[in-house]
Amino acid sequence: KAGVTQTPRYLIKTRGQQVTLSCSPISGHRSVSWYQQTPGQGLQFLFEYFSETQRNKGNFPGRFSGRQFSNSRSEMNVSTLELGDSALYLCASSLAGSNWETQYFGPGTRLLVL
Amino acid sequence: GESVGLHLPTLSVQEGDNSIINCAYSNSASDYFIWYKQESGKGPQFIIDIRSNMDKRQGQRVTVLLNKTVKHLSLQIAATQPGDSAVYFCAEPPGGATNKLIFGTGTLLAVQP
Repeated sequence: KAGVTQTPRYLIKTRGQQVTLSCSPISGHRSVSWYQQTPGQGLQFLFEYFSETQRNKGNFPGRFSGRQFSNSRSEMNVSTLELGDSALYLCASSLAGSNWETQYFGPGTRLLVL
Repeated sequence: GESVGLHLPTLSVQEGDNSIINCAYSNSASDYFIWYKQESGKGPQFIIDIRSNMDKRQGQRVTVLLNKTVKHLSLQIAATQPGDSAVYFCAEPPGGATNKLIFGTGTLLAVQP
């Protein structure tokens, strides 16, 4: 069974630009969660989508947004990039319920903002 | 409030020794915890979990201990191997209909040959 796929794996942008990251969950998984990982703040929850609806949102500015499509694939967008947005962005896919053993993380997209 | 953390940043052990990674939490109502392993270049991977009605849970070469009195949990890895080198996180879900997790700051386990 294919794992969680994130594209692109690496990305370099400049301040002020915007970026879109993609996450393809495991087949059959309907929940996709996004996390930002930085050395200073660790792993922080961004948002969760379930059946195309945002179910939960972390404490990030409105520049961070996301969406989920009918095939459960999800995208997150960061507008007006800042240097501090440089991070590893991880997505995790899950079945409908909160069975943590079957929540799988992708390898992440490493974003560098110059 | 939501808070899981207070790890040591790095733990260095010799191959074959036992490793103990610690985590403290602040919310006495927390009732479920998960340990994750994150290898370089990969996302976190579920290792083992424990509910608050248990003090100890064992897996393959791993044991998690939960001390609710002092709000502390630990992950013990027996006979540590080079493949165990990774960052280890404790995490907890805040509850409700969500797959959100709150992660601790992580401990880097370095296994010396």
